[in-house]
Amino acid sequence: LAKTTQPISMDSYEGQEVNITCSHNNIATNDYITWYQQFPSQGPRFIIQGYKTKVTNEVASLFIPADRKSSTLSLPRVSLSDTAVYYCLVGVGTGSQGNLIFGKGTKLSVKP
Amino acid sequence: SQTIHQWPATLVQPVGSPLSLECTVEGTSNPNLYWYRQAAGRGLQLLFYSVGIGQISSEVPQNLSASRPQDRQFILSSKKLLLSDSGFYLCAWRRGFNQPQHFGDGTRLSIL
Repeated sequence: LAKTTQPISMDSYEGQEVNITCSHNNIATNDYITWYQQFPSQGPRFIIQGYKTKVTNEVASLFIPADRKSSTLSLPRVSLSDTAVYYCLVGVGTGSQGNLIFGKGTKLSVKP
Repeated sequence: SQTIHQWPATLVQPVGSPLSLECTVEGTSNPNLYWYRQAAGRGLQLLFYSVGIGQISSEVPQNLSASRPQDRQFILSSKKLLLSDSGFYLCAWRRGFNQPQHFGDGTRLSIL
């Protein structure tokens, strides 16, 4: 069972780049890495997903080293509205229900 | 485009009363459906998932049950609520394995 480890919290200031790293030492060969964002009293929102190397979309980048035992979510030039909890998910590796185990996430606080 | 609806948004129920939370998805067919619960300040706990009509898998044995009477409808129920059933209940869907999940806005359930 793949387990993830993230920092409990991070602080940043508006305009800075924020990098949140997730460790997943037991990731399986066919597992993808998925990141979600959650605001208070809302459901998590999908941010980005990747398998290896680098993935970029309009809101974030995801960096995955060759051994895939960790991944880094990069948020460029954060704003106050990026204050939220960020979850890293890795598939459980077998069956049809991967990427379902949510940890406690990383609480990002962006200050003015 | 696909949308997911959950209702009600908030619910206050006495201990021992029944529960029925409904979730529907529009704009897709044969989705995988999920029920999660989130306690205050905690991560998401997977309760049930379904890969098809009438197919329910339970992740955590407890006072709750789930049903999928139609392809895009997922219902969470209880015959007798406990104080420990309080929490934020989230419904989610996705197309399949290693696909990202899409969450509803959740139901805040308070048991008195």
